[in-house]
Amino acid sequence: AQSVTQPDIHITVSEGASLELRCNYSYGATPYLFWYVQSPGQGLQLLLKYFSGDTLVQGIKGFEAEFKRSQSSFNLRKPSVHWSDAAEYFCAVGVGGTYKYIFGTGTRLKVLA
Amino acid sequence: KAGVTQTPRYLIKTRGQQVTLSCSPISGHRSVSWYQQTPGQGLQFLFEYFSETQRNKGNFPGRFSGRQFSNSRSEMNVSTLELGDSALYLCASSLNGASSGEQYFGPGTRLTVT
Repeated sequence: AQSVTQPDIHITVSEGASLELRCNYSYGATPYLFWYVQSPGQGLQLLLKYFSGDTLVQGIKGFEAEFKRSQSSFNLRKPSVHWSDAAEYFCAVGVGGTYKYIFGTGTRLKVLA
Repeated sequence: KAGVTQTPRYLIKTRGQQVTLSCSPISGHRSVSWYQQTPGQGLQFLFEYFSETQRNKGNFPGRFSGRQFSNSRSEMNVSTLELGDSALYLCASSLNGASSGEQYFGPGTRLTVT
């Protein structure tokens, strides 16, 4: 069965430090991959997506993610975190042809001033 | 272009009652998906509607139902409410379908069942 794993429930980084949030998926083919961010009490905002092509994708707010087929991973990165990045981040997989869309359990990011 | 709107934003209901939530997608989007978000279960897929047809359904009891109108607006209904139905209900719209393109989320409806 398809699944998405975000191994880190909570991550704390200092402002200005680099960030990497992990995401692993289980699926027989290459799915569509997404990262979303959710601020408290808000809906989800799309940060970036991967469908095909260049495995390093750029998103909004200075985020990027790299698709690694061999590791079934789609990790999110940011070189320098800002206090406003504190939020919950969700990785998601779209399984084409099945109309399934699966979210990971989320990683809550705390940023220390 | 206006984003996804959901009404109402907050709702308090009593056990046993029923509730209807509304979602207006982005203009031109034909797919609307619904999700339930709780601290314990995270984001769980409820169902997706595409051009007025339910295309996929998650593992929720029959008390949860939905529909989509010809203008792509969607409603979700929960009958015989239980305490465990307290959650943030998120609606998302996409052009051609949840699994094949990005989704745009509304702010959610916070449902509290007492």
